[in-house]
Order: sequence, then structure tokens, then C-alpha cells
Amino acid sequence: GDSVTQMEGPVTLSEEAFLTINCTYTATGYPSLFWYVQYPGEGLQLLLKATKADDKGSNKGFEATYRKETTSFHLEKGSVQVSDSAVYFCALRVGGYQKVTFGIGTKLQVIP
Amino acid sequence: DAGVIQSPRHEVTEMGQEVTLRCKPISGHDYLFWYRQTMMRGLELLIYFNNNVPIDDSGMPEDRFSAKMPNASFSTLKIQPSEPRDSAVYFCASSLREVGFTSPLHFGNGTRLTVT
Repeated sequence: GDSVTQMEGPVTLSEEAFLTINCTYTATGYPSLFWYVQYPGEGLQLLLKATKADDKGSNKGFEATYRKETTSFHLEKGSVQVSDSAVYFCALRVGGYQKVTFGIGTKLQVIP
Repeated sequence: DAGVIQSPRHEVTEMGQEVTLRCKPISGHDYLFWYRQTMMRGLELLIYFNNNVPIDDSGMPEDRFSAKMPNASFSTLKIQPSEPRDSAVYFCASSLREVGFTSPLHFGNGTRLTVT
């Protein structure tokens, strides 16, 4: 079956540090890949997505590249801010099945 | 665009009581999903609908759980009877059916259920 593996959190960084959150996947088909962010007390919201190999999704300074050869979709940001503190979820969606499979989530805490 | 609307935001009930959670998806969206989030298990897909028809309910934990979508603008998730282990945050999400199935999910703010 389809699955998403994320690095365990929590991740604690100082403001302006570089962020990487690892994500790898297994899929029975050819998936679209997503990163969602969840702030306290809220639902998940889409951060970025990539729909085919070598695509790079980007938003609010975050980036992730769809690597088919390594089945990975790592999230990166060059300089994190306190406001980036949240839980980040990697997810995939396979055409024809419509299910979205989520990783366990990685909690990021950015300290001033 | 009002987004996905869930009610209530918080629900506290006693074991054995019936609980009904409600969801209004984004207008025009074809798919509706119910998820449950806990610290131990993360996000679990319970059931999803396409054009108001249940497509996959294999994630529904047991017969105590049921979900309906009587029309395109409303869905309910019911737990009867409720148990303490049902305590979790329940999310509703909706999405469009885009070519290539690339459409993201749009989530509501969730219902935090506590069963005592």
C-alpha cells in the first residue's frame, strides 16, 4: 500500500537557521506530493505541491523537489522565522484512488 | 470563499452517548473526507465521498461509527455509543476532482471530541 515516512520531531531551531524535514514515500501508482502545515487549533492547510518528477514546489520561502529516483520530497527553508513554528505533514495522492496518505507530522519550534 | 465549516468546535460527552459531528464542504467540491487525528496514530482517513456517495469506508473503526452525505453541502459523522478511546480531533476536508488528481485537500478547523 501507499505510505509516507517523515523524520520524527520535534525539531527545534533558532531563528534564521536552515530547515530540512525529510520525507520519503512508497506508492502503487504515480503520486502527486504535498506538504501541509498545521498551526495550533487549526486544520491542515496546503503549503506546496509537486505533481511530477523533478517538479519543485515553493511557497512562503519553503521549497521541495519531487525526486522519483530516491522517492523523496524533502522540505527546505533557508531562514526560518518564529512564525514558522507549526506541525508539517508530507502527503501523497495517487490518481484513481483519491485517498491522500499523510505522514506522521513533524513539529517545528523556532526560538528567537 | 468561506472554506470548510465544521461544527461544533468542541464536544464533551459521557461514555455511551451519541455524538454527531457536522461538516459543510466548499461549494463545488466533488470529494469529502473525514479524518481523525490523535497523538498516537496521527491522521487517519475514516471515510470519503464522491458526489455524495461513500467510496471507501475501510477506515471506519467499527460499527459504532457511521457517516452520511445527504446532499452536496452537508455531511455528518455519528458515533453511537461513544467511548473514551474515541477522544480525538475529527477533521472534514473537501477537494475538487482535477485532471491528474493533483487537487489538494481543504480542511476545516476540526472538532475536538472528549468522551469521559
